[in-house]
Amino acid sequence: EIVLTQSPGTLSLSPGERATLSCRASQSVSSSYLAWYQQKPGQAPRLVIYGTSSRATGIPDRFSGSGSGTDFTLTISRLQPEDFAVYYCQQYTGSPWTFGQGTKVEIK
Amino acid sequence: EVHLVESGGGLVQPGGSLRLSCAASGLTFSTYWMSWVRQAPGKGLEWVANIIQDGSEKYYVDSVKGRLTISRDNAKNSLYLQMNSLRAEDTAVYYCARLYYDRRGYPSFDIWGQGTMVTVSS
Repeated sequence: EIVLTQSPGTLSLSPGERATLSCRASQSVSSSYLAWYQQKPGQAPRLVIYGTSSRATGIPDRFSGSGSGTDFTLTISRLQPEDFAVYYCQQYTGSPWTFGQGTKVEIK
Repeated sequence: EVHLVESGGGLVQPGGSLRLSCAASGLTFSTYWMSWVRQAPGKGLEWVANIIQDGSEKYYVDSVKGRLTISRDNAKNSLYLQMNSLRAEDTAVYYCARLYYDRRGYPSFDIWGQGTMVTVSS
């Protein structure tokens, strides 16, 4: 099983600041098969990035993804109030498909 | 607009059974892989199962094999999860999700339902 470790656990930032979220895999993950999801309290997850760097429909361009092999990054260039949430990375390379434990982006 | 609406959750005793449903609208349901993903209270996300368009292929996380069964009825635009021999650790919100492969073959769970809560407790 591929274990995804996200860091930091919590990111405390102010609106307008840059957020950098890390996702590290225990084994190499194909860049085609790495996605990021946003989840707000009481809501279902929402796809943000897939294929490491492709933005999902309706996702603003302040969100960007990068990485390869075992290290992947989600960057939010200038945080907006609606961006404060928990973010999960997910890999589709190995079975079972697995998610990271999440990074909470909170308002400082 | 595409919608996925889950139902069927509730409180069940350990060892009991439950059947979850997911009604799809606004999409050609029969042309997509579908999945179940769960989230225990206060915890992260866990992929549970996938099913191919015609139902002939199914994949499960090891912890549910032999107890949970994914199925679909394309005529009814519906996805199901039959849950038997339930355990306390199955307690979670269960989401159905569309597994979308883009033109390059890149997968993602691009559409999610609102979830249905399953509580396994005596």
